[in-house]
Order: sequence, then structure tokens, then C-alpha cells
Amino acid sequence: DTEVTQTPKHLVMGMTNKKSLKCEQHMGHRAMYWYKQKAKKPPELMFVYSYEKLSINESVPSRFSPECPNSSLLNLHLHALQPEDSALYLCASSQDPGWSTDTQYFGPGTRLTVL
Amino acid sequence: GIQVEQSPPDLILQEGANSTLRCNFSDSVNNLQWFHQNPWGQLINLFYIPSGTKQNGRLSATTVATERYSLLYISSSQTTDSGVYFCAVGFQGAQKLVFGQGTRLTINP
Repeated sequence: DTEVTQTPKHLVMGMTNKKSLKCEQHMGHRAMYWYKQKAKKPPELMFVYSYEKLSINESVPSRFSPECPNSSLLNLHLHALQPEDSALYLCASSQDPGWSTDTQYFGPGTRLTVL
Repeated sequence: GIQVEQSPPDLILQEGANSTLRCNFSDSVNNLQWFHQNPWGQLINLFYIPSGTKQNGRLSATTVATERYSLLYISSSQTTDSGVYFCAVGFQGAQKLVFGQGTRLTINP
């Protein structure tokens, strides 16, 4: 089973709200990723977790806070977002933490709208 | 700098047609993946192909690493093949996948 699940599918939030996105995989993968995708653009890497530790932060603003509670779960906590943060947020995982050489599997995404 | 270029940017075809999508990259790679993003946003992994040739049904892909390009072939297109096709590359010595801008494929009935 090569499935990555994400919840919620859609999220609308105000600029003063706090919300969280959730990602889960049960493939035993040891690397997990958050990507952001704007309309008509390719996905952009935000964060990489390797063995449940944050290994890459692509200079993402602090209003985005990732968390990896265990090897199967990845959260993205959102606080004080701006309308320009509206996008599709994609989670991915791969088996090998030496991840640049490994297949990445993506979840269906959360479509976020910030009002 | 590191670059991944896909062509064509847009492609409109009739059902049943064949198509070739191209991905050029600027440096040596240790990872190359082709993805299909459907209209609902799901990115589906088509091939992991840093070199060589693979086939899966109506789809096949070839990467010539020494010449720094990869091709995705779609035969007998169906309307469900519509969407955006991304090439994503992992360069040697780098720590992330770099995505091309994508090819938007529209298959008309």
C-alpha cells in the first residue's frame, strides 16, 4: 500500500485563527515532507523530517510550524497566516532518509484558503 | 544554476493520439521522477527513472543521464490522462527534488 493520507481536504481560516494540517503514512517510511503549491506552479519544498527530526527548513516563515509526533505522523501548525498563504499543501513520504535518491509518494493535499 | 526545463508547456490532443513530453536538466542526477497531477491536485507517481527505460501500460519513460534529458511517452491517450505532468530531479550533492514547471496536457474526446 503506497498511501499517504491528509486531513482535512479543505480548510478555510481567518488570519487570526490557529489550525493544523495532518499527514499520515503506514508504509514504514522514515522521511516525510511538506510542500506548498500555488495555482499553476510546481510544488515547493517547505520542510523535511528524517527519522522524526527536522532536517531541512527551506526558510519558511515561523507562522508555519511543523511537528513529527512519531514515524507515521506529520503535522503542520498554522498561526496568523496571510491571504497569500492560500495554496495546496502537500505531504509526501519516502522510505530512505537519504531521500534525494528515493521515490517520494504524495498525499492528496489540503486546499487552504486564508481570508 | 540548477535547472529543470519541461516542454511543451501546454499540449492539447484528441483522444487516441500519442504524445511525448520532455524534461531537460542541467547537471548530473541521482533521482528523476515523473508525476501526474490530476485536476483534483493529487500527485501520482508514474516513474522513478534516473536512467534507462521503463514501461507501464500505455506509458513509458526514458532517461538518458549522459545527455541530461528524460522523455515521457503516452500512447493512445484517454481523457483521464488530462492534467499536469511534472518532472522532478534530485541532483547529486543536493538535498531536495527540483520540480520542472510542468506540461499541462488536455485530452479532448
